[in-house]
Amino acid sequence: DTGVSQDPRHKITKRGQNVTFRCDPISEHNRLYWYRQTLGQGPEFLTYFQNEAQLEKSRLLSDRFSAERPKGSFSTLEIQRTEQGDSAMYLCASSPTSRSPDREQFFGPGTRLTVL
Amino acid sequence: LAKTTQPISMDSYEGQEVNITCSHNNIATNDYITWYQQFPSQGPRFIIQGYKTKVTNEVASLFIPADRKSSTLSLPRVSLSDTAVYYCLVGEPTGGFKTIFGAGTRLFVKA
Repeated sequence: DTGVSQDPRHKITKRGQNVTFRCDPISEHNRLYWYRQTLGQGPEFLTYFQNEAQLEKSRLLSDRFSAERPKGSFSTLEIQRTEQGDSAMYLCASSPTSRSPDREQFFGPGTRLTVL
Repeated sequence: LAKTTQPISMDSYEGQEVNITCSHNNIATNDYITWYQQFPSQGPRFIIQGYKTKVTNEVASLFIPADRKSSTLSLPRVSLSDTAVYYCLVGEPTGGFKTIFGAGTRLFVKA
């Protein structure tokens, strides 16, 4: 399977704990995106990487959230001191660098986080 | 970033053509229009993208009028498996594309 993979698929944690999610994009895709999706809503943009550089961050990404893509391949999203409001599906997507436009983003299956 | 407005939900029957219209009155010159499909517990999947006039692929057609203030996704002969949420996105798809999905349109296809 050469699609975007995310790990874990499900995570249950207690309020105040730290969690880390991993995303492996499609090989050779330079762009990587993180989104958060709550029930009944569309995905919300969190952050975007071009190779290892984090180029954009949404204001939704509070100080408790941090994302990295150290070698320009896989990425991690960490949430510190989780709150119940962090419960959501966290989606990762990747896309290749193309001339223009940035066409489709390829999404992973997501990591569903439940904060008790 | 241009805001989009779509119907919250639509019902259809198998074999019918379904047209979902998206309004984007504030679309900018460099903005493209992109549609995604999402099934429960899955990530969205790209359907089609266009800038103006008509675009067709093996899955759908996208109609964009000259003023580009709206667009219509057309799904020919839908089946039960087309039951999903459909999102219309408008933005400048170069590096730093802030993808705004909105709430989408829930399409329910009945037998």
